[in-house]
Amino acid sequence: AQSVTQLDSQVPVFEEAPVELRCNYSSSVSVYLFWYVQYPNQGLQLLLKYLSGSTLVKSINGFEAEFNKSQTSFHLRKPSVHISDTAEYFCAANSGGSNYKLTFGKGTLLTVNP
Amino acid sequence: NAGVTQTPKFQVLKTGQSMTLQCAQDMNHEYMSWYRQDPGMGLRLIHYSVGAGITDQGEVPNGYNVSRSTTEDFPLRLLSAAPSQTSVYFCASSYHRREDTEAFFGQGTRLTVV
Repeated sequence: AQSVTQLDSQVPVFEEAPVELRCNYSSSVSVYLFWYVQYPNQGLQLLLKYLSGSTLVKSINGFEAEFNKSQTSFHLRKPSVHISDTAEYFCAANSGGSNYKLTFGKGTLLTVNP
Repeated sequence: NAGVTQTPKFQVLKTGQSMTLQCAQDMNHEYMSWYRQDPGMGLRLIHYSVGAGITDQGEVPNGYNVSRSTTEDFPLRLLSAAPSQTSVYFCASSYHRREDTEAFFGQGTRLTVV
């Protein structure tokens, strides 16, 4: 069965500092990977996704993630965070097949302090 | 642009009561699903549906029922509420034709069972 591990439950950083949120997945087949963001008291929104092709994927607000097949990782990075990036971030995977079922990690709470 | 609409946003139930959480989407998505979100646990799949008349169990189905009589609606029924069902519930929808399509989430229903 597919599993997704987010290695840090909380990551506090100062504004304008770089950040990396770590995600590892387990799968013996090809996998599609996603990062979702949840702002306080809201639903989840897709931040970025890896399907195939270039291993580096980027979002419109400066986040990027790199698919590393040998390390089974999909870490999320941003070179300079803002207060508004404070949110919970979820890594998710879908190993395909006949049903679309996302497996989520337990989430990482990113807190950006002034 | 309604997207995925969940009602109610908040609900308090007494142990043993039953209720239905409503979910509707206006994007003609085939795939709909229900997740529960608990602190430190991420999102866990309760039930899902790949189209009208077709439902299946996810990771944590016990105590919940679903039906899918139309493409638009996917209600979640709690048969006899228990304190362990205190959680935030999210409904999501997506196209089913490809595994890489984005899942759209509702704003969530915060349920407390006392």
